[in-house]
Amino acid sequence: NAGVTQTPKFQVLKTGQSMTLQCAQDMNHNSMYWYRQDPGMGLRLIYYSASEGTTDKGEVPNGYNVSRLNKREFSLRLESAAPSQTSVYFCASSEGLGGSYEQYFGPGTRLTVT
Amino acid sequence: QKEVEQDPGPLSVPEGAIVSLNCTYSNSAFQYFMWYRQYSRKGPELLMYTYSSGNKEDGRFTAQVDKSSKYISLFIRDSQPSDSATYLCAMSKGGADGLTFGKGTHLIIQP
Repeated sequence: NAGVTQTPKFQVLKTGQSMTLQCAQDMNHNSMYWYRQDPGMGLRLIYYSASEGTTDKGEVPNGYNVSRLNKREFSLRLESAAPSQTSVYFCASSEGLGGSYEQYFGPGTRLTVT
Repeated sequence: QKEVEQDPGPLSVPEGAIVSLNCTYSNSAFQYFMWYRQYSRKGPELLMYTYSSGNKEDGRFTAQVDKSSKYISLFIRDSQPSDSATYLCAMSKGGADGLTFGKGTHLIIQP
């Protein structure tokens, strides 16, 4: 039982390049989330998926897209990376759909955009 | 005013002391309250999860929620050097929308 897994662990991109961050959970959770964590800013919600087939914007969605591939997997795409997107990205999941709202986090992806 | 306020610290205490960590919030719609522990370069780890006002205890950890004052606390008894980490408070209105986090308090337990 791995919980929430994220790939890659580290990535360096040049401005304008694109990439997809992958997230998977094996807890049969309905809801999945993407956050970014910046020094002095705390964790901020980028996008979330309440259930398979739905996605919604969070607090800081600009420059990102997401795909809920199936119940297990939720990916985050940067189409044209910018230095302001240098951050640590965390994926999380929760039971949702009337169940518990506590969220469980993955180990994170450290992204640097030069 | 930020929705959730948390003193970033650092908070340094000697081993064995009782630690008190706190957050205040402004949105009275928050009903679910969580505390996460985050070690350097790791993901947040859920410590405590409470609903509405009251206390919850788990081992050395006690979470308190006072909705009338919009104030939540985490107490750590018999603190250990391994408790040194950043502690994040988080809260939710319920439903599937995301958590709102404090900025975290950096805690140092001195051996």
